[in-house]
Amino acid sequence: AAGVIQSPRHLIKEKRETATLKCYPIPRHDTVYWYQQGPGQDPQFLISFYEKMQSDKGSIPDRFSAQQFSDYHSELNMSSLELGDSALYFCASSLGEVGGPPYEQYFGPGTRLTVT
Amino acid sequence: AQTVTQSQPEMSVQEAETVTLSCTYDTSESDYYLFWYKQPPSRQMILVIRQEAYKQQNATENRFSVNFQKAAKSFSLKISDSQLGDAAMYFCAYRSGETVYQLIWGAGTKLIIKP
Repeated sequence: AAGVIQSPRHLIKEKRETATLKCYPIPRHDTVYWYQQGPGQDPQFLISFYEKMQSDKGSIPDRFSAQQFSDYHSELNMSSLELGDSALYFCASSLGEVGGPPYEQYFGPGTRLTVT
Repeated sequence: AQTVTQSQPEMSVQEAETVTLSCTYDTSESDYYLFWYKQPPSRQMILVIRQEAYKQQNATENRFSVNFQKAAKSFSLKISDSQLGDAAMYFCAYRSGETVYQLIWGAGTKLIIKP
């Protein structure tokens, strides 16, 4: 079965640089979530989109922005990178968010971002 | 605000034995969902099992089952016949059925399987 695809899998950037992470949800899934997981920590919710509209916002820094495109893939843009942004960034997708049963979130393999 | 607590940072179990991982949560909502996710060393996040709060019957998936105690706000995971491949971090997660739909996570329990 098709899974969530994230690219790149690994990314090394220097401080103050920008990075773009991409997420391709499971086909037919219309909801995308972004999570950040630091070393030895639980995932922290950043932002989510349902039908290309932002549906929820968590602890996402102002330096970060995200959007969901017409084909439902999503991109997380990170600017002015800091050392503390080094983490594993997960994208998850699910089917339907409003008006239907809350389907499970299926996670991609993550993008490991290292800021030096 | 909802919170999820996993009080066991690390657990170990002998291969083929049974182990139970604890999770408690706090919420004022009546409609919600609970999940256990497994994160092996590859760091892929894998859904293990899901429980709907409105269901009294405990969820079961092969060797994995939960003990859902709604009044006590407890949601433990039992792994039977533990296998080496079960070694991973296990996260308990809460999802509202009423408001926002982000997952709220516990701190995780590292499960070690002894051969």
